[in-house]
Amino acid sequence: DTAVSQTPKYLVTQMGNDKSIKCEQNLGHDTMYWYKQDSKKFLKIMFSYNNKELIINETVPNRFSPKSPDKAHLNLHINSLELGDSAVYFCASSQDTVEQYFGPGTRLTVT
Amino acid sequence: AQTVTQSQPEMSVQEAETVTLSCTYDTSENNYYLFWYKQPPSRQMILVIRQEAYKQQNATENRFSVNFQKAAKSFSLKISDSQLGDTAMYFCAFRGTSGSRLTFGEGTQLTVNP
Repeated sequence: DTAVSQTPKYLVTQMGNDKSIKCEQNLGHDTMYWYKQDSKKFLKIMFSYNNKELIINETVPNRFSPKSPDKAHLNLHINSLELGDSAVYFCASSQDTVEQYFGPGTRLTVT
Repeated sequence: AQTVTQSQPEMSVQEAETVTLSCTYDTSENNYYLFWYKQPPSRQMILVIRQEAYKQQNATENRFSVNFQKAAKSFSLKISDSQLGDTAMYFCAFRGTSGSRLTFGEGTQLTVNP
């Protein structure tokens, strides 16, 4: 059973397009996250939701919009994609155990 | 704001030998959590080990152990009996108790040579 899953795993698209990445966790966790890993492998938090409520919103262009329809899902929608958005995007979840469990990542390539 | 620094971009070790990866951090908090995550070429992020700051005893998980020096704000990872499957990027991460975000270091690429 996959604990944290993301779709798609690879996404290639052109500048200016709008795309979404979906994340689902079956761990029963209350908190979910989106992280961005850039070309130098640096990982940085983008957003966090707790029980469908936004609790962390880092300095991210407003072209990025997270949506949490329920506590098991956290999707990331990106408008007007730019070359600099190319990265690996990781979804993660956690509960009181503190550890964050990561999805497999989505490699986004903007051409 | 917390910062995490890994000063070794790359390291290599021979199979079966021991290697230590360094990590330092900066925080004004007294209670917090520290982690080491491993990212193999498959890019999956895998939790290796965690340490609670209020615990004096260093965490150990099989071949992986940490040297946690709270006063020095140092959190190194020791891998004993290195295996080829240990080849990966290793990230040190900090989590304060006032928020749930992880702050990551820049990573250390470890290569285990046969």
